[in-house]
Amino acid sequence: KNEVEQSPQNLTAQEGEFITINCSYSVGISALHWLQQHPGGGIVSLFMLSSGKKKHGRLIATINIQEKHSSLHITASHPRDSAVYICAVYSDKIIFGKGTRLHILP
Amino acid sequence: DAMVIQNPRYQVTQFGKPVTLSCSQTLNHNVMYWYQQKSSQAPKLLFHYYDKDFNNEADTPDNFQSRRPNTSFCFLDIRSPGLGDAAMYLCATSRVGGFMNTEAFFGQGTRLTVV
Repeated sequence: KNEVEQSPQNLTAQEGEFITINCSYSVGISALHWLQQHPGGGIVSLFMLSSGKKKHGRLIATINIQEKHSSLHITASHPRDSAVYICAVYSDKIIFGKGTRLHILP
Repeated sequence: DAMVIQNPRYQVTQFGKPVTLSCSQTLNHNVMYWYQQKSSQAPKLLFHYYDKDFNNEADTPDNFQSRRPNTSFCFLDIRSPGLGDAAMYLCATSRVGGFMNTEAFFGQGTRLTVV
């Protein structure tokens, strides 16, 4: 079993839909990172959080340390949100989830 | 301005011909990481430097080596690339202190093709 599990692996939705991507982990962590990777490979940092909730524009990230679970939400999704979203946790090293491939249809 | 820079963005090398990928950072972070990412897979940690201390992952092939001559630069050397080494190679940096890690910053990656 992977130390970081993401669900779903793939998600296709219509423009405007509310999107939720989940991340569960099994190791002790000091922080969790949500990343976005577009085709071509470049990785962009979205959020780093160790507790509670963060919001940036249409993106919201939450984490529950007791339950070892985090969610990334996208409100009013747009085709430009189409990308792979990766959860990464910080324990003694950075451990990545396999990513969620999101495709938003116009 | 880019804070973690990888060169080149695209590298084509011949089977068995040594190749070096480069990463530089302007953040003065003490930790630098090299990851290998194959298509539709999560990045896989190859090794990382904590300052000058080199930390190799147990399953990283001996074919992969790294050098960190100073805080700003880190190199990934592939001694004899095979077709299976074709991948995106990502460099990342972070500052580690006590129990807290700061946010990691990633380079744009180098896509390696082996012919």
